[in-house]
Amino acid sequence: AQSVSQHNHHVILSEAASLELGCNYSYGGTVNLFWYVQYPGQHLQLLLKYFSGDPLVKGIKGFEAEFIKSKFSFNLRKPSVQWSDTAEYFCAVNADTGKLIFGQGTTLQVKP
Amino acid sequence: SAVISQKPSRDICQRGTSLTIQCQVDSQVTMMFWYRQQPGQSLTLIATANQGSEATYESGFVIDKFPISRPNLTFSTLTVSNMSPEDSSIYLCSVGQVSYNEQFFGPGTRLTVL
Repeated sequence: AQSVSQHNHHVILSEAASLELGCNYSYGGTVNLFWYVQYPGQHLQLLLKYFSGDPLVKGIKGFEAEFIKSKFSFNLRKPSVQWSDTAEYFCAVNADTGKLIFGQGTTLQVKP
Repeated sequence: SAVISQKPSRDICQRGTSLTIQCQVDSQVTMMFWYRQQPGQSLTLIATANQGSEATYESGFVIDKFPISRPNLTFSTLTVSNMSPEDSSIYLCSVGQVSYNEQFFGPGTRLTVL
């Protein structure tokens, strides 16, 4: 069965620190990969996505993610976080079943 | 992207009652899904709402407990039946144009069962 694993459940950073959130999935075929973000009190929003092509994808608000097929990973990065990045981050995989499988989520707290 | 609304945004219900949640999209979409997000946990797919036919349920979810309707390409309802406190969750509707494409999520319905 497909699964998605996010290694960091709760991350606390100071502003301007660099961020990397890990995401690994288990599926041997072609996948589409997503990172969603849920800001406090808001609904889930798409941060970035990978379908094919350049494995380094850029999303909104300075976020990027790198797809490494050999490692089954799709880690999210941002060089310098801001207080406004405080949110819940979800990695998700959409394989040939057509269904989105979500990771457990990572709570990011950025201290001003 | 699609604009998705859900009603109600939140509700507090008594054990044993049922609640119907509505999901309305501002454009016709191929795929509609219902998810549950239990407190402190990730999103779990309940079912795929199929237009004009019975929904496709995921393992652990059954039609008697979570009946779903989808009369057209812009609207769906999810009913949480015979509720218990364990049903307290956020219920989210999502939409997509094709199976493997990105999904857009509604604001969710926060349900508390006493």
